[in-house]
Amino acid sequence: EVQVVESGGGLVQPGGSLRLSCVASGFTISTYWMSWVRQAPGKGLEWVANIKQDGSEKYYVDSVKGRFTISRDSAKNSLYLQMNSLRLEDTAVYYCVREGRYMDYWGQGTLVTVSS
Amino acid sequence: QSALTQPASMSGSPGQSITISCSGTNSDIGSYNYVSWYQQYPGKAPKLMIYDVNKRPSGVSNRFSGSKSGNTASLTISGLQAEDEADYYCCSYAGSSSWVFGGGTKLTVL
Repeated sequence: EVQVVESGGGLVQPGGSLRLSCVASGFTISTYWMSWVRQAPGKGLEWVANIKQDGSEKYYVDSVKGRFTISRDSAKNSLYLQMNSLRLEDTAVYYCVREGRYMDYWGQGTLVTVSS
Repeated sequence: QSALTQPASMSGSPGQSITISCSGTNSDIGSYNYVSWYQQYPGKAPKLMIYDVNKRPSGVSNRFSGSKSGNTASLTISGLQAEDEADYYCCSYAGSSSWVFGGGTKLTVL
């Protein structure tokens, strides 16, 4: 069974850092693009970043460029999102998603709250 | 990267059909046939309902269908059922390996 499970969310002050993790099972992440998608409380979905199968290409939404870094560890079948210089507007549930021509498998999400 | 435009809310009675629109631009919907739709219940993860404009994943009811014309995509739900009450999001490939979502439509089954 295909599954992705996120962890690492929590409460952080503005300007702080947090690292999200996502462990995949039932498939090998090195054969798929992987994405992070977020959803602010009561708001819609927003694509945040993605990474190519071999990690050679990474793309970000403009609002997180220079602050967030997506990475993967094939040996651990895991995806990561390093978030630095966090802002109030980064508060959201962050989903780890398997990506193809569409996003077919989503984790349950991990909540990141940026607040003083 | 501007969000795709969806109606904020729609409603319908059981048995009726409804169509949710998703308006984009020549840079996203108008240029690619990589439009997908997601259903989301409160507190739950989104679920893929339609991909590649009009294809249904295995297990999704054939009451759900998708289409596209120009810069606008649509999701039609026929024979509305109470369980269809949820939020629906469209998504399109936007080039340069990026994606854009719609703002979401809250569907109420009266």
